[in-house]
Parts: sequence; structure tokens; C-alpha cells
Amino acid sequence: AQRVTQPEKLLSVFKGAPVELKCNYSYSGSPELFWYVQYSRQRLQLLLRHISRESIKGFTADLNKGETSFHLKKPFAQEEDSAMYYCALSADSGNTGKLIFGQGTTLQVKP
Amino acid sequence: KAGVTQTPRYLIKTRGQQVTLSCSPISGHRSVSWYQQTPGQGLQFLFEYFSETQRNKGNFPGRFSGRQFSNSRSEMNVSTLELGDSALYLCASSLVNNEQFFGPGTRLTVL
Repeated sequence: AQRVTQPEKLLSVFKGAPVELKCNYSYSGSPELFWYVQYSRQRLQLLLRHISRESIKGFTADLNKGETSFHLKKPFAQEEDSAMYYCALSADSGNTGKLIFGQGTTLQVKP
Repeated sequence: KAGVTQTPRYLIKTRGQQVTLSCSPISGHRSVSWYQQTPGQGLQFLFEYFSETQRNKGNFPGRFSGRQFSNSRSEMNVSTLELGDSALYLCASSLVNNEQFFGPGTRLTVL
């Protein structure tokens, strides 16, 4: 079965501290994984995708097929990073517009 | 370029009624996906339309249906509304490679 698990509902850190948002997936094929972010009162938007291997707003995520994980990391959290983060898996090897989302993790960065 | 738009933004209905929600994708995008977002279940895929054809369907009852027009605009319909259908309904459009752009959502409340 295709599934995405984000084990933490809430992650609270202080400004300047490192951040790691966990994401594990279950998928039999070759996965395509994404991180989406939703800031307060804004729409859901793409943060990064594993195939582009980019660093967006200081965030990176590495696909680890052995551990079936795609954790999101940032070395120094900023207050403006406070938001809801969703990990998502593209079903059907990315050939269709079906995303399977995790339950989301709220990141709270305290001053 | 204008983003994905959804109308109406808010809707209140009573049990047993039916409702139609509309989504206008970004110009040039041919794929439109619909998701239901609730506090308990998170973001769940409803269906996807591409070039006026349903390309993918999630695990929702037949009361949930959709369609896409030749200009790529899409509608979803929910018949015989139940209290549990209260949710935020999101649509997303994509051009290629499954990078989905989300609309602001329609908040449906069923009384």
C-alpha cells in the first residue's frame, strides 16, 4: 500500500536551532517525493521535490531508499519558517496528478 | 500568471442537498486534481482530470463526482450531502512533472 507517515504532529524549536521534519513512505515502485508548506492564511505551496535536489529557503531533503525516508532539514531555523509542512508521495511513478499526503507537521519556531 | 482559483470560497449546505464546486486552473495547465482536507483525515485525493478525462480516482463514494471542460476548468459535485462531508476542498493544477499548484480551497459546511 502507498502511504506517507509524518510521525510528529508538532515540532517546536528555538530560532537558530537545527530542524528535522521526519517523513517515511511506503511504495513499491520508484517514488517521487515532495515537501509542501502552508503558511498561515496562505495556500499550500511546493517547497521542494527530491528529483530537483535543490535547496529552497535553506531547506534540503534527501531521499533514502534504504530507510524509505525523505526527511526535511534546515541547519538554522528562522521564525518565518513557522508553518504546516506536508510530505507527499506521487503515486504511479509521477505520471499522474495523484499525491498521497502525510498528516502534516506543524513547525513552531520560537524567538 | 494568475494562480488557481476556486469558487465559491465558502459554502453552507444542509444534509441531503447537493453541491457543485468550481476550479479554474493556471492557464495552460491541463491536469486538475481535487483533494479533501479534514482535521481527522488530513489531505485525501479525490480524483484527477486530464484533457476532460478522469485519469485517477481516490477511495471516495460515488456521491463524489467531477468533470473537466475543454478549457480545463473543472467542477466537482457532491450529492446527498452528509455531515462528514464538511471539509476544505482543494484543487490543484499542473503542467508537467506533477508539480501541483494549489488553489485557496472551498470551505464546505454541512449542517
